[in-house]
Amino acid sequence: QKEVEQDPGPLSVPEGAIVSLNCTYSNSAFQYFMWYRQYSRKGPELLMYTYSSGNKEDGRFTAQVDKSSKYISLFIRDSQPSDSATYLCAPPHSGNTPLVFGKGTRLSVIA
Amino acid sequence: DVKVTQSSRYLVKRTGEKVFLECVQDMDHENMFWYRQDPGLGLRLIYFSYDVKMKEKGDIPEGYSVSREKKERFSLILESASTNQTSMYLCASSLPPGQVSYGYTFGSGTRLTVV
Repeated sequence: QKEVEQDPGPLSVPEGAIVSLNCTYSNSAFQYFMWYRQYSRKGPELLMYTYSSGNKEDGRFTAQVDKSSKYISLFIRDSQPSDSATYLCAPPHSGNTPLVFGKGTRLSVIA
Repeated sequence: DVKVTQSSRYLVKRTGEKVFLECVQDMDHENMFWYRQDPGLGLRLIYFSYDVKMKEKGDIPEGYSVSREKKERFSLILESASTNQTSMYLCASSLPPGQVSYGYTFGSGTRLTVV
């Protein structure tokens, strides 16, 4: 089983919709979780990170962790065309080991 | 404003050529990484380095080597380019985990085509 699974999409929603992006993970040692956003022909950029309990909110974005089911989510409220990008989840291992990235979910927000 | 610079955005090379991809960061980060990104396969780690002159193999090191002679520069070398190395190459850097500013900063990528 891969360490991180992510539905690749593509996901297409109308402007203003609430978007839910999800990852499942298999390694219980993951301590915190990151979400990266990648626009077309650009490198990924860190969007937000959250520790392994509860929710974290940043503007229109909310990251949520459910440790019991090993499930992490990113919610986007009032989605905008500028949110159109690929979203990658990355739960780091403990210690100084490289990030493991999900394959990414491609999102299109249609005006 | 930045940060991680990759020397070329687009590169076309011939099969068998030796190819150098350069990456420079200006954030004094200890950690540097090379990934390749392919449709349906996501980001795959090629090599990484936690210090000058130090290197570690990632998940797919075959056909590649790296060099880190200075803290700010991490070079990826394709010893003899092949068509299956056609890909988007992404360099990243970071502080060690536990730092407040932990998180990878990526370059804009180099789209390499081997013909």
